[in-house]
Amino acid sequence: SQQGEEDPQALSIQEGENATMNCSYKTSINNLQWYRQNSGRGLVHLILIRSNEREKHSGRLRVTLDTSKKSSSLLITASRAADTASYFCATDLIQGAQKLVFGQGTRLTINP
Amino acid sequence: DTEVTQTPKHLVMGMTNKKSLKCEQHMGHRAMYWYKQKAKKPPELMFVYSYEKLSINESVPSRFSPECPNSSLLNLHLHALQPEDSALYLCASSQVRAGLPKGDRFFGPGTRLTVL
Repeated sequence: SQQGEEDPQALSIQEGENATMNCSYKTSINNLQWYRQNSGRGLVHLILIRSNEREKHSGRLRVTLDTSKKSSSLLITASRAADTASYFCATDLIQGAQKLVFGQGTRLTINP
Repeated sequence: DTEVTQTPKHLVMGMTNKKSLKCEQHMGHRAMYWYKQKAKKPPELMFVYSYEKLSINESVPSRFSPECPNSSLLNLHLHALQPEDSALYLCASSQVRAGLPKGDRFFGPGTRLTVL
């Protein structure tokens, strides 16, 4: 079963704007990861944030984690057309730690 | 080499056929995974292999039979599939520490399976 809920399910913005996606989860985690998937292709790992971290940056990506609210957000700044993809959060659970459980995903469209 | 390869890219099979999906990585990862992904849905875990041993089977029907012949290869044998098994099948690998996956998963491009 999936434990993550992502919000919004779909997001359409203009190139150059910032995109924010949110993820909520239910059980305790070791870490939370974000992946990108271009249409019908494999997933690409973007960033991992550990349960004892609150914020992490990688290039134009900023991820926050609030374990008290069991939520995370992914911010993509200065979006580009090439950022058009589906974005999934995924949690490495403390119990059942071999399972990487994916959220429902956000479909991001960047309009030129 | 930081790539996970999967063959074939596309597969069409009848319900009476037997086919196999193959996955290979040369990153020295000792955990390998099969995921199934239906259109517009997130990937769902099917199997986990750790040190070439099956450690998790997510109640997958027996018409899917995984095999890990060595630390670089992962196969998924398919037999008597149903049309609802049509999906993108993704292989992934990761490092292992203290018997548990460490860090991110490296995904292959997937095999698009159609069952007629």
